[in-house]
Amino acid sequence: DAGVTQSPTHLIKTRGQQVTLRCSPKSGHDTVSWYQQALGQGPQFIFQYYEEEERQRGNFPDRFSGHQFPNYSSELNVNALLLGDSALYLCASSLVRNSNQPQHFGDGTRLSIL
Amino acid sequence: GNSVTQMEGPVTLSEEAFLTINCTYTATGYPSLFWYVQYPGEGLQLLLKATKADDKGSNKGFEATYRKETTSFHLEKGSVQVSDSAVYFCARSNYGGATNKLIFGTGTLLAVQP
Repeated sequence: DAGVTQSPTHLIKTRGQQVTLRCSPKSGHDTVSWYQQALGQGPQFIFQYYEEEERQRGNFPDRFSGHQFPNYSSELNVNALLLGDSALYLCASSLVRNSNQPQHFGDGTRLSIL
Repeated sequence: GNSVTQMEGPVTLSEEAFLTINCTYTATGYPSLFWYVQYPGEGLQLLLKATKADDKGSNKGFEATYRKETTSFHLEKGSVQVSDSAVYFCARSNYGGATNKLIFGTGTLLAVQP
């Protein structure tokens, strides 16, 4: 039973560039959430996707956008990268009809902006 | 502001010592509460959870009780091991269901010495 998988594991970009991060949810899950974890901090909620639509959004600018595909996998896109976007980006999946079960996290993508 | 507050680390203990990591939250309604653990270079793993007042979550010798009257969810373990060294995050769900966004504390680094 595959857990949440994210790719790539590490990525280096320069300011102003654009990046796409990918996430495959745990088998059987239909909801994907994205979090940003800056060094030494707790994860901050970016947004959540269900039925291919953004359902909730945290306090992040429009440079952060996402997509969910029919197979429930998801992408996180960040445009016009800033130095402050350097962080670990975590994907979490869950099943919407089983609200008492927790979200499962992947190992994250470490994004470094030079 | 952050609605989950954890004690600051690092917490340094000798093997077999008693562990307490304090966590308090602010919320309207009845959120679910969680402790996640993050080992170096990895994503978050769910350690335990509680979904209603007076529930006790437990796993791998760790325990935490959902105290609505004190809005707390302190993590305890009677005898820590070197392998417990990690960063521990307290979190609450935004609403009652676990599929809604998680709000995390800043994390507490635990270092257990042999």
